[in-house]
Amino acid sequence: DTGVSQDPRHKITKRGQNVTFRCDPISEHNRLYWYRQTLGQGPEFLTYFQNEAQLEKSRLLSDRFSAERPKGSFSTLEIQRTEQGDSAMYLCASSLTNWDTQYFGPGTRLTVL
Amino acid sequence: DQQVKQNSPSLSVQEGRISILNCDYTNSMFDYFLWYKKYPAEGPTFLISISSIKDKNEDGRFTVFLNKSAKHLSLHIVPSQPGDSAVYFCAASGNTDKLIFGTGTRLQVFP
Repeated sequence: DTGVSQDPRHKITKRGQNVTFRCDPISEHNRLYWYRQTLGQGPEFLTYFQNEAQLEKSRLLSDRFSAERPKGSFSTLEIQRTEQGDSAMYLCASSLTNWDTQYFGPGTRLTVL
Repeated sequence: DQQVKQNSPSLSVQEGRISILNCDYTNSMFDYFLWYKKYPAEGPTFLISISSIKDKNEDGRFTVFLNKSAKHLSLHIVPSQPGDSAVYFCAASGNTDKLIFGTGTRLQVFP
């Protein structure tokens, strides 16, 4: 186990379609975070989990977005009815516990046509 | 409302010289600060961090300085190497551990 992994790395979809991304954190990391990065900006926080509990959601996470971490291991981020404004890099990070360093995965680049 | 600001979008430094990247923040509740490096098509890679109880932290060629009264931190890279060429993000956290990032500074180290 070498780090956080994300799948897929790239996703191209048409407006209105649903997409789902997966994140596998570093083994035994209790915290898992989702961020979104658009061109020219730094990553922006979306949501995070402590084990399977979703502790906080950003205002950026509209009702079209849902995230889960059902068994406290991997997480999924689903976007329903995608819009062109959803095009971004979606980053996942994990940390051993709260206040520990967050380690990022390679990201999933979403393009909505 | 940009709580973490990196006002220099780019920096060019000669190999072997010092690179200084700056970051300002506005939220006095922030108490933990980090620097990440990012290559194209990769996720951010953690470099170094500092808590608000310190004013300096050093790790090899990388040193982070924190000036709480000025709400300013900086990353020093000495000596700079071509492999350091990347985008550097400053990040901060406070009463929750979600990170607030700056917009990044693109560092180019030339021979």
